[in-house]
Amino acid sequence: QQQVKQSPQSLIVQKGGISIINCAYENTAFDYFPWYQQFPGKGPALLIAIRPDVSEKKEGRFTISFNKSAKQFSLHIMDSQPGDSATYFCAASIIYGQNFVFGPGTRLSVLP
Amino acid sequence: DAGITQSPRYKITETGRQVTLMCHQTWSHSYMFWYRQDLGHGLRLIYYSAAADITDKGEVPDGYVVSRSKTENFPLTLESATRSQTSVYFCASRDPFAEQPQHFGDGTRLSIL
Repeated sequence: QQQVKQSPQSLIVQKGGISIINCAYENTAFDYFPWYQQFPGKGPALLIAIRPDVSEKKEGRFTISFNKSAKQFSLHIMDSQPGDSATYFCAASIIYGQNFVFGPGTRLSVLP
Repeated sequence: DAGITQSPRYKITETGRQVTLMCHQTWSHSYMFWYRQDLGHGLRLIYYSAAADITDKGEVPDGYVVSRSKTENFPLTLESATRSQTSVYFCASRDPFAEQPQHFGDGTRLSIL
């Protein structure tokens, strides 16, 4: 019940295309869903986060879509750029709780 | 500079040796965490701490020891290193009273020969 599933494992997109990464969770107590971006040699850094009371949140080219009934959420990167090439992790937690559960990550490569 | 610092950034050691990874944060966050990152497994929680002198096991605690005598420091010790502990280790911290995620350090790449 603590698991967060993430797909695909890797993704190759042309510059200007849309990158889509999907995650699914089981624990209905989760109420905070952040996405992290990680570049080689660096720690994960928060990209965008959503609470389940909204179905979509957009920040610049990055959008989270959330489907509470399906227990799924996804990250959409519009107009993908080579600088977006990184590993992306979805996560889930109980807000103000101690622990986050992370998905296994998606390695995104954006071709110039 | 405010932030979270891990040291060393790289470490090579031999099986059976003791090694300690250091983590220091300047925000005075009460929550701190240790993760290991391995290909195909993402980030797995080793230990976490809710405050000084309060620690608890995560998903993969075997072979690791932590302590937290001061709020800002959270060292992780491998008492007798094994090859399976070769990994990248990340420390993180969090303010429990704010709607914020965890803040991560830049990791320690540990190789055990």
